[in-house]
Amino acid sequence: SQKIEQNSEALNIQEGKTATLTCNYTNYSPAYLQWYRQDPGRGPVFLLLIRENEKEKRKERLKVTFDTTLKQSLFHITASQPADSATYLCALDRGGADGLTFGKGTHLIIQP
Amino acid sequence: NAGVTQTPKFQVLKTGQSMTLQCAQDMNHEYMSWYRQDPGMGLRLIHYSVGAGITDQGEVPNGYNVSRSTTEDFPLRLLSAAPSQTSVYFCASSYSMGGASTDTQYFGPGTRLTVL
Repeated sequence: SQKIEQNSEALNIQEGKTATLTCNYTNYSPAYLQWYRQDPGRGPVFLLLIRENEKEKRKERLKVTFDTTLKQSLFHITASQPADSATYLCALDRGGADGLTFGKGTHLIIQP
Repeated sequence: NAGVTQTPKFQVLKTGQSMTLQCAQDMNHEYMSWYRQDPGMGLRLIHYSVGAGITDQGEVPNGYNVSRSTTEDFPLRLLSAAPSQTSVYFCASSYSMGGASTDTQYFGPGTRLTVL
């Protein structure tokens, strides 16, 4: 089965710096890789999707890269703000009907 | 649009009791699913549906039943609650599922269930 690893420890970043979160996976390569944000007591919210044939995707201050050789995706938040503090989830879409496989998430803390 | 709604927000059950967690979406999405989220673990898929009348099991289906009589609704039934089912339950929907960019999931706010 697919195994997904995200930084298990909380990531503390100073405001204004770039936060980089890692998502590593084993076994097969997904058709798509998605990133979600989850705030305490709320459901995950979709942020970005990247296809297996794409190297990089950007949306405002967010950037996602996808390296199928390394089996890794990196999620970057530039010019980070305290409001970016949340848990970020990586999810793999294998292309089947049985849904996404989620990582455990990385808790990001942006310190003012 | 209300998006994905879930009721109740909180629920406490005694071991052996049954209950239904409600989920509805108003986006005309074909694909709906139920996840549970436990501390230190990722979201795990319980059951999913690719359309009205069609359901299938996910990773952790034991102890749960689902049905999909309409496109909008996808209730999750706990048949005989056990303490191991204490968790946060999320319902999600998407336009499709099967390797398309429209597979992005819209999640509900969750139901926090405690089984004593």
